[in-house]
Amino acid sequence: GEDVEQSLFLSVREGDSSVINCTYTDSSSTYLYWYKQEPGAGLQLLTYIFSNMDMKQDQRLTVLLNKKDKHLSLRIADTQTGDSAIYFCAEKGNQAGTALIFGKGTTLSVSS
Amino acid sequence: DTGVSQDPRHKITKRGQNVTFRCDPISEHNRLYWYRQTLGQGPEFLTYFQNEAQLEKSRLLSDRFSAERPKGSFSTLEIQRTEQGDSAMYLCASTGAFYNEQFFGPGTRLTVL
Repeated sequence: GEDVEQSLFLSVREGDSSVINCTYTDSSSTYLYWYKQEPGAGLQLLTYIFSNMDMKQDQRLTVLLNKKDKHLSLRIADTQTGDSAIYFCAEKGNQAGTALIFGKGTTLSVSS
Repeated sequence: DTGVSQDPRHKITKRGQNVTFRCDPISEHNRLYWYRQTLGQGPEFLTYFQNEAQLEKSRLLSDRFSAERPKGSFSTLEIQRTEQGDSAMYLCASTGAFYNEQFFGPGTRLTVL
């Protein structure tokens, strides 16, 4: 079946890089996503990567995809306190049409 | 365009009551999705519409739940005879021509007492 797993917590100091990891099981996933959720808010689409790509960079964000190992990572350079939030990895699954399958989220805590 | 909007943002109800939530997608987005998010979990798919047609429903969508999108624009999600286990954040998302981008609304937080 489809499953997305993430580590639950990550704590970094302001100015450091953060790396959030995710593994997925559906090898037929076409797109993989990173969303950010702040307390009490909806989900903000940060970036996504097509499955035939290895890497995508967007300002401070770098996404790496290892399709062989079904591993996705999000690197945030120069992490700021405003980056503190829950980050969700998601894949576009097959069993539910074009719906997204989400992990449980990684809580990123940035200290100054 | 201000993005996906949802109303109300918060709803507190007593067990056994019916509730209805509304979602207004981004203008001209023809696909609309409903998800449910419980504490400490990621969003879980409930159902989706292409225009006014409801194309897929998750097994999570029990017969107490019903969703409509009568004119292919806004959508409503109704829960009948609410139970405490229905307490969650209900999220709506929409996509347009590029189906790979789903944009979420702020959600409706339901608390069933």
